Amino acid sequence: DIQMTQSPSSLSAPVGDRVTITCRPSQSVATYLNWYQQKPGKAPKLLIYAASSLYRGVPSRFIGSGSGTDFTLTINSLQPEDFATYYCQQSFSTPFTFGPGTKVDLK
Amino acid sequence: QVHLVESGGGVVQPGRSLRLSCAASGFIFSSYGMNWVRQAPGKGLEWVAVIWADGDNYYYADSVKGRFTISRDNSNNTLYLQMNSLRAEDTATYYCAREGKLGIPVAVDTFDSWGQGTLVTVSS
Repeated sequence: DIQMTQSPSSLSAPVGDRVTITCRPSQSVATYLNWYQQKPGKAPKLLIYAASSLYRGVPSRFIGSGSGTDFTLTINSLQPEDFATYYCQQSFSTPFTFGPGTKVDLK
Repeated sequence: QVHLVESGGGVVQPGRSLRLSCAASGFIFSSYGMNWVRQAPGKGLEWVAVIWADGDNYYYADSVKGRFTISRDNSNNTLYLQMNSLRAEDTATYYCAREGKLGIPVAVDTFDSWGQGTLVTVSS
């Protein structure tokens, strides 16, 4: 199974800041990497697919990059609605594993 | 608009069984693979199982293999998860999620639509 790590596990930032979250699979997943946002008590939502493609309706301040075993999710100019937990997920091979999550909260 | 509604959760004793359902609408259900993903209280996301669009292929996480069975009824646009021999560690919110294949030229499997989840609590 492909193990996923994320860093940091949590971060605090003010509105307007730029934040970066890193995801590292235990083996190469090419660009079979997706990012999700989850708010408390809600289902996750797809943000980025194929490492860098923005899902429909997702604001352009969300930017995904990377390939292989090194990926990042950057949020430019953090907005109040962006405070949430973010998960990466690989779809290179089953089981489709998720990272442990990064909680972004207000500083 | 895609709509997924899970049902069937509740409190169940260890060793007992439960069947979850996911009613789908707003898209051609028979054209999409479907998944179950769970989340233990306060924990991260864990993929549980996938079933292909035609229902002929399916895969499970090792943690549920041999105990859970995923199935679908394409005539009624419904996904199921039969859960047997339940354990305390199966306690979680269970989400059904549509498998969207996105991207050109290489399509990547994603979970592009999710239901609201149904809570399963395994406790004596």
